[in-house]
Amino acid sequence: LAKTTQPISMDSYEGQEVNITCSHNNIATNDYITWYQQFPSQGPRFIIQGYKTKVTNEVASLFIPADRKSSTLSLPRVSLSDTAVYYCLVGGNNAGNMLTFGGGTRLMVKP
Amino acid sequence: DGGITQSPKYLFRKEGQNVTLSCEQNLNHDAMYWYRQDPGQGLRLIYYSQIVNDFQKGDIAEGYSVSREKKESFPLTVTSAQKNPTAFYLCASSMDRGLVAFFGQGTRLTVV
Repeated sequence: LAKTTQPISMDSYEGQEVNITCSHNNIATNDYITWYQQFPSQGPRFIIQGYKTKVTNEVASLFIPADRKSSTLSLPRVSLSDTAVYYCLVGGNNAGNMLTFGGGTRLMVKP
Repeated sequence: DGGITQSPKYLFRKEGQNVTLSCEQNLNHDAMYWYRQDPGQGLRLIYYSQIVNDFQKGDIAEGYSVSREKKESFPLTVTSAQKNPTAFYLCASSMDRGLVAFFGQGTRLTVV
């Protein structure tokens, strides 16, 4: 999997939009970008996946520039329940990948 | 109700004893994974298996062993050779989209 770099932590307030950026300078042509969310004492949960441009679902948006060397997870109007660790993974989307997680970004949403 | 189940949720063992953590999935997924998570840290890969009767070491396999005799099951044994076994253990599975995995709720192992 391509090496990724994320901020260790971020703070925000309820109702704000939060953008978490992940750098992946050595992303390969066939690599996808995937984000997970983890609450304390729970397993990570898949949030969103993309290859290029923009992907949006009911939870978040993922913005990927043309060079694909970075990506931004956007959480609209966060609430206290969005306080969690967010992980960015980059790699080929074939079956049986060795999924490797980095340290993630610890998001704290304040009232 | 499809999903991935880990049991037990909490486990206590005496130092020097082997202990086996259970992971079962009914998602018909080929690939399964075991991770260890220490407080405030990210997930570290212990073992993973792409198909039945085959598995590969991850980054921290020493002191652990696994088996994959059935597609649905991927038990992890924490042996007495693991020097610091107290941790939160997570099991996951994935199918044809390799980066999209589903996780169990985890087993918190405490060795005293």
